[in-house]
Amino acid sequence: KAGVTQTPRYLIKTRGQQVTLSCSPISGHRSVSWYQQTPGQGLQFLFEYFSETQRNKGNFPGRFSGRQFSNSRSEMNVSTLELGDSALYLCASKGDSGQGEQYFGPGTRLTVT
Amino acid sequence: GESVGLHLPTLSVQEGDNSIINCAYSNSASDYFIWYKQESGKGPQFIIDIRSNMDKRQGQRVTVLLNKTVKHLSLQIAATQPGDSAVYFCAENLGGTYKYIFGTGTRLKVLA
Repeated sequence: KAGVTQTPRYLIKTRGQQVTLSCSPISGHRSVSWYQQTPGQGLQFLFEYFSETQRNKGNFPGRFSGRQFSNSRSEMNVSTLELGDSALYLCASKGDSGQGEQYFGPGTRLTVT
Repeated sequence: GESVGLHLPTLSVQEGDNSIINCAYSNSASDYFIWYKQESGKGPQFIIDIRSNMDKRQGQRVTVLLNKTVKHLSLQIAATQPGDSAVYFCAENLGGTYKYIFGTGTRLKVLA
């Protein structure tokens, strides 16, 4: 079974631009979560989607948004990029709707200059 | 590889010794906990989980202990190997919130 894939793996953007990151979960998984990882703040929860519905959202500004498609693939978008948005963005998928193991992708490294 | 955390607490252990990594969680109502391992350039990888109705759970070479009274988790790794060198995170979850809160992480260095 293929693992969680994220594209692109690396991205360099300029302040003020917007960016869209993509995540393909493990086949059959309907839950997709997004996290931001930085050296200073660690792993912080952005949002979680299940069957195209956002079920929870972390404490991030409205510039951070996401969506999930009917095939469970998910995208997250960051508008009006700031230097502080530079981070590793991780996507994780889970098989069922309850508690359980999350499978993480390799992440997208976003650098904002 | 990419640096996961520049200022993480570090535990240095001799190869073959046992390692104990500690984590304090934040929400006394959390009822599910996971330990993850993250190697440089990779996403976190599941190690072991435990539910709040248990105090201890064992896996292959790993044991997780949960102390709900003081909101503390520990991960014990037996006979630590060079391949265990990584950053270790605990994560907590409250059922129905669909949200995992991660600890700050501990870097484990295995000395040959």
